[in-house]
Amino acid sequence: QVQLQESGPKLVKPSQNLFLTCDVSDGSIKTGKYHWSWLRQSPGKGLEWIGYIFYSGTTYYNSSLKNRVIISFNVSKNRLSLLLNSVTAADTAIYYCACGPEHTNYVETWGRGTLVTVSS
Amino acid sequence: DIQLTQSPSFLSASVGDKVTITCRASQAIAKYLAWYQQKPGKAPELLVYDASTLHSGVPSRFSGGGSETEFTLTINGLQPEDFGTYFCQQLNNYPITFGPGTKVDFK
Repeated sequence: QVQLQESGPKLVKPSQNLFLTCDVSDGSIKTGKYHWSWLRQSPGKGLEWIGYIFYSGTTYYNSSLKNRVIISFNVSKNRLSLLLNSVTAADTAIYYCACGPEHTNYVETWGRGTLVTVSS
Repeated sequence: DIQLTQSPSFLSASVGDKVTITCRASQAIAKYLAWYQQKPGKAPELLVYDASTLHSGVPSRFSGGGSETEFTLTINGLQPEDFGTYFCQQLNNYPITFGPGTKVDFK
């Protein structure tokens, strides 16, 4: 079974960019069998879908993030990435990477999550 | 965006009880709804997708139903390991959205 592990900074200053990565355990990205996503969870806003990337490179983003987000992957490194620009305190959350079957939208496997705090 | 509401927000039940959680969508989403269970400090886990299909490995005491705007998750014979928070998620329209959650606790 696919295993996912997020990593990145725990503390980011307001207006800075947040860059997170997610290591995929078994080279599953190149199989094309999954879609890859980022989600986040904060006490104030609950669970929030950030966006997807499919093996084709097609991406879908939550419009609420107002074009601040880019999701990408590096197949050779088996790594998924999230770039969130110009963060504010409202971006404080636990960030999860996740995957699901290619032709669906549901999430089958989640990483353990990483807490990111935005504060000066 | 499609809004999801869940009821109840909190429920307290006993081992062996039958428990039903309802998720309502602000517009029709066909069968494209999933349910997740989350325990404190852990990531959510998929229970049901396409409204009524049980994910692999999920105990048969869990069942999902409904379509369009009203959906249910039923636990038939609540077990101690079933405590936690349950979320619904709509998958029909972007942005994908989640319900606010139903916390299940034990009496």
